[in-house]
Amino acid sequence: SYELTQPPSVSVSPGQTARITCSGDALPKKLAYWYQQKSGQAPVLVIYEDSRRPSGIPERFSGSSSGTMATLTISGAQVEDEADYFCYSTDSSGSHRVFGGGTKLTVL
Amino acid sequence: EVQLVESGGGLVQPGGSLRLSCAASGFTFSTHWMSWVRQAPGKGLEWVANIKQDGSEKYYVDSVKGRFTISRDNAENSLYLQMNSLRAEDTAVYYCARDIHQLPLPYFDYWGQGTLVTVSS
Repeated sequence: SYELTQPPSVSVSPGQTARITCSGDALPKKLAYWYQQKSGQAPVLVIYEDSRRPSGIPERFSGSSSGTMATLTISGAQVEDEADYFCYSTDSSGSHRVFGGGTKLTVL
Repeated sequence: EVQLVESGGGLVQPGGSLRLSCAASGFTFSTHWMSWVRQAPGKGLEWVANIKQDGSEKYYVDSVKGRFTISRDNAENSLYLQMNSLRAEDTAVYYCARDIHQLPLPYFDYWGQGTLVTVSS
C-alpha cells in the first residue's frame, strides 16, 4: 500500500523557520496538502495544491514540492503553531487517499 | 460559516453496531461530496468512506467494506455512518469532513470536531 513518510517530530525556537517534510513515490505526479491539528481539535487545512494557502491562514505558512518530497515551511514559527501536521495525497492511480503519519511540531 | 457536528459515538462491544451522525450547516450540503475520516488514539488519520452529492456513489477503505455503510439525507443536511460488526481496531475518533471531490486531486477542506468510538468488552 502507498505511504507518505514524515519525520515524527520537529523542534524549533520561536521566530525560527520550521520545515516539515513529506516523502512519497507519487508526489512528482500528485499534489500535496497539509493539515494542522492542535491537541484535542479537528484538523485544519493550511496548504492545498502544494503551495496554496486558504483564506485565514497566516502568511508564515508556505508549501513547496520537488520530486518525491513536499515541504511545509513555517517562517517565524510561533508558540501557537505547536501542533501535529499531516500531509495528504493519493497514490499514482488516484484511487487511494493517504495521510502521512504526522509530525509533532514543538516551538519552545 | 461552515459547521460540521458529529454525534453518536460511544462504547460498544466487539461485534456490536453504532450509527454516527453529522449535522452540516453554513453551506449547501446537497452540492458537496462528504467523507468520514478516523483517527485511532495516538495515531494518524485514515480516510474511511465518502459519498457523492446525491448518494449514488459510495466508496470505502478496504478494512470497512461490508461492515460500514455511509449515507446522507440532503433534506436534513445530515451525513451518517452505520457501523456493524465492530472490531477493536475500529476504535478511533471519527470525523465528518467536507470532500472537495475535484481534479486534480480530491481533498477535505472542513472537518467537524469528531466523535469517539470505543470498541471494547
